[in-house]
Formats: sequence, C-alpha cells, structure tokens
Amino acid sequence: DAEITQSPRHKITETGRQVTLACHQTWNHNNMFWYRQDLGHGLRLIHYSYGVQDTNKGEVSDGYSVSRSNTEDLPLTLESAASSQTSVYFCASSDGLAGDTQYFGPGTRLTVL
Amino acid sequence: AQSVTQPDIHITVSEGASLELRCNYSYGATPYLFWYVQSPGQGLQLLLKYFSGDTLVQGIKGFEAEFKRSQSSFNLRKPSVHWSDAAEYFCAVGDMVGGATNKLIFGTGTLLAVQP
Repeated sequence: DAEITQSPRHKITETGRQVTLACHQTWNHNNMFWYRQDLGHGLRLIHYSYGVQDTNKGEVSDGYSVSRSNTEDLPLTLESAASSQTSVYFCASSDGLAGDTQYFGPGTRLTVL
Repeated sequence: AQSVTQPDIHITVSEGASLELRCNYSYGATPYLFWYVQSPGQGLQLLLKYFSGDTLVQGIKGFEAEFKRSQSSFNLRKPSVHWSDAAEYFCAVGDMVGGATNKLIFGTGTLLAVQP
C-alpha cells in the first residue's frame, strides 16, 4: 500500500545545530507539504512543493528550508535550531488534481535544548 | 484572509451521547472544507470533506458534517459517541488554485474526551 513516512520519529538536538527531517511518500504525489503543530495554534504551513525543483514558503518559513530533487522526498532542514522550533512536524502529500486530499505522515517530535 | 475558527478547545461527552463540534470559516470564494481527526501520537486522518453538491457530507466512523454557507459553518456531528472517538479534531479550509487543494488552513483543534 502507498504510504507517507517520516524519520526520525523523535529527535533531541541542541541550539545552533543543523537538523534535517525526512519525509518520503510512495503515492507518487506531485504536492508535498510540511506543517508544524503547536498547542493553541493547530497546524501551520512551513514550506510546500508542487513538484520536482519547486519549493514555496508557507506561513512560518523563517529558519527552515526544503529541497525537492525527486517526487518521493521533501526533506526539511532547520539551518540553526532554536528552542522556538521545538514542535511536532508533519509532512503531507496530495496528487494536486481537482478535489484532492492531503495525506499525512505520523509526525516527528523535535526537541531543541 | 482565509481563516478557520474552532471555538471549543475542549469538549467532554458521555459515551452514547450525541456530538457536535463547531467550525466557522472565512474564505472569499466557495470553500473546500475538511475535517481531520488525530489520535494521540498519530498523524491526521481525513474524516470527510466538502467540495460541492449535497451540503450534508457523510464520512468515516459514522461522522457527518453540514455546510451552511449563510452561517459560514461546517459543523461535525455524530449521533452516538464511542470511547474510541476520544481524539483531537481539526477543521480546515483548502486554499484552492486551479481547482485543486493548494494549501490547508487549519483551525486550532477541539480535544474530545469521552466519559464512560
């Protein structure tokens, strides 16, 4: 069955370190998204991509970057981790066709000390 | 700007009782609306979505939602709640481009507790 996976599921890092969170989908979807979930804020969009070599900034993109070199993967990089980036991160994908649905991965819990 | 409001942060219902979770949206055009459920430690699962047509939408797990344009609402309902329905529920509106769901704008969620 097609799926969307994230790794690692849990990560503890230190302030100032570079961190990369992986997202891999086997749906062959064009669209991929990264969200962060924080108490009282719901999910907020960080970056998104409509296809290979395409990336776009979302609502809360400062301090994050993504790259899309193939259809299946959209890694999220925190250039210099800050305590404010402690959160749960979700990756999602959709086929980009009319009426599409976003399918979510299981999430990565990141703690920045 | 587009936005979604879920006025109830936390709701507790008894098992077997009916449930209604409120969702109000602000969107300039005809909205595409979604309800997702998140169990503890899990990702989000789609319960149902509204794109067009019948304003009463049926979803999985016995849930339904009704789109009311005049009230800018998309409330989620279930006639009889089960203990396994305890979870967090998110309403979202799709920011559409070219007829496809571009980005999702989420509400802040409603945490549902179910009493035995």
